Amino acid sequence: QKEVEQDPGPLSVPEGAIVSLNCTYSNSAFQYFMWYRQYSRKGPELLMYTYSSGNKEDGRFTAQVDKSSKYISLFIRDSQPSDSATYLCAMSGEGGGSNYKLTFGKGTLLTVNP
Amino acid sequence: GAGVSQSPSNKVTEKGKDVELRCDPISGHTALYWYRQSLGQGLEFLIYFQGNSAPDKSGLPSDRFSAERTGGSVSTLTIQRTQQEDSAVYLCASSPSWGQGALGYTFGSGTRLTVV
Repeated sequence: QKEVEQDPGPLSVPEGAIVSLNCTYSNSAFQYFMWYRQYSRKGPELLMYTYSSGNKEDGRFTAQVDKSSKYISLFIRDSQPSDSATYLCAMSGEGGGSNYKLTFGKGTLLTVNP
Repeated sequence: GAGVSQSPSNKVTEKGKDVELRCDPISGHTALYWYRQSLGQGLEFLIYFQGNSAPDKSGLPSDRFSAERTGGSVSTLTIQRTQQEDSAVYLCASSPSWGQGALGYTFGSGTRLTVV
């Protein structure tokens, strides 16, 4: 079992839909939970991060972390064609001086159709 | 520069040849990372440099892979005797020395390596 599992999709939704993306993980030591967005032939860019459990909202984006279930989610409200990209979850904070290292899911390819 | 710069953006090489990939981090960023993104796989950590400290090479997949960082700035990832399974996008990132390094990553656009 990989440390971080993420459904690769692809996921196709109409413009304006609510999108739900999620990851599960096995390492209970993870403390920082991130979502990256990667456009085609570009590097990933940090979208949101959450420390430990809880919710965080930023505009149309909401990140949720449930450490008891080892499950994280990203919700996109009122999705736009410009949201079309690959979304990668990432985690860190294993301790032992390795907090700089990120463990990624495989990424979910999202297409928002006008 | 304004961002992390990687060169070349694309590289096609013959099996068995050596390749060098270059990364120019953001000026002032002391931490530098290399990751590999293979088709259908997530990003995999390769190596981490922080200032003058010994690098964390724990992610390098074999002894054909090596990396160095000269003068605390530019880094070069070298793959010797390339194999077809080395085909991937090689991403470099840098981050400031302060705060949680993992939250301060800025990635470059990557080098797409194809071994034929």
